[in-house]
Amino acid sequence: GNSVTQMEGPVTLSEEAFLTINCTYTATGYPSLFWYVQYPGEGLQLLLKATKADDKGSNKGFEATYRKETTSFHLEKGSVQVSDSAVYFCALSGRRDSSYKLIFGSGTRLLVRP
Amino acid sequence: DSGVTQTPKHLITATGQRVTLRCSPRSGDLSVYWYQQSLDQGLQFLIQYYNGEERAKGNILERFSAQQFPDLHSELNLSSLELGDSALYFCASSARLAGNTDTQYFGPGTRLTVL
Repeated sequence: GNSVTQMEGPVTLSEEAFLTINCTYTATGYPSLFWYVQYPGEGLQLLLKATKADDKGSNKGFEATYRKETTSFHLEKGSVQVSDSAVYFCALSGRRDSSYKLIFGSGTRLLVRP
Repeated sequence: DSGVTQTPKHLITATGQRVTLRCSPRSGDLSVYWYQQSLDQGLQFLIQYYNGEERAKGNILERFSAQQFPDLHSELNLSSLELGDSALYFCASSARLAGNTDTQYFGPGTRLTVL
């Protein structure tokens, strides 16, 4: 079945460092891919998405490119801020059993130090 | 603010009890999804409704049930509660045309604690 694998956290970085959080997926067909972010004590917010191969999603300085050949959707940011500290979830959505449910990775906690 | 509302925000109850979690989707969204977030299982899909009808089931226990009403709000009913049911329960909604390109917008969640 469909699945998402994320790198284990926590990831600890200094402010202004470069961020990469790896995400790979297994899916049949042509899924859409998402990154959601969960700040402490809050719900999930969509960070970015890509709906077909080679699409690049971007938002708030974060980027991820849908790579079908490597089945990956790695999240990157050139310069992180303390306010980016949160848990990041990679997810996919593809029709299965008449549902477009999201399948999530295990989440990666990011801690950015001043 | 995603536009999805969930009540209550926190719920503390005892084993064996029954609770109801409520979700109001974004205006115009017909699809409602329920997810459970727990430390050991991560984020798991429970059930989906589309325009009042059950669309898909995931890892939802038989003690749990849900429904979507004509005004499109949804309720998740959890009965015979066990300690292991303690988790954060999220509701999400998506746009009129259900498809895998649609974004699901999440509510703030209901934190259930079973003592």
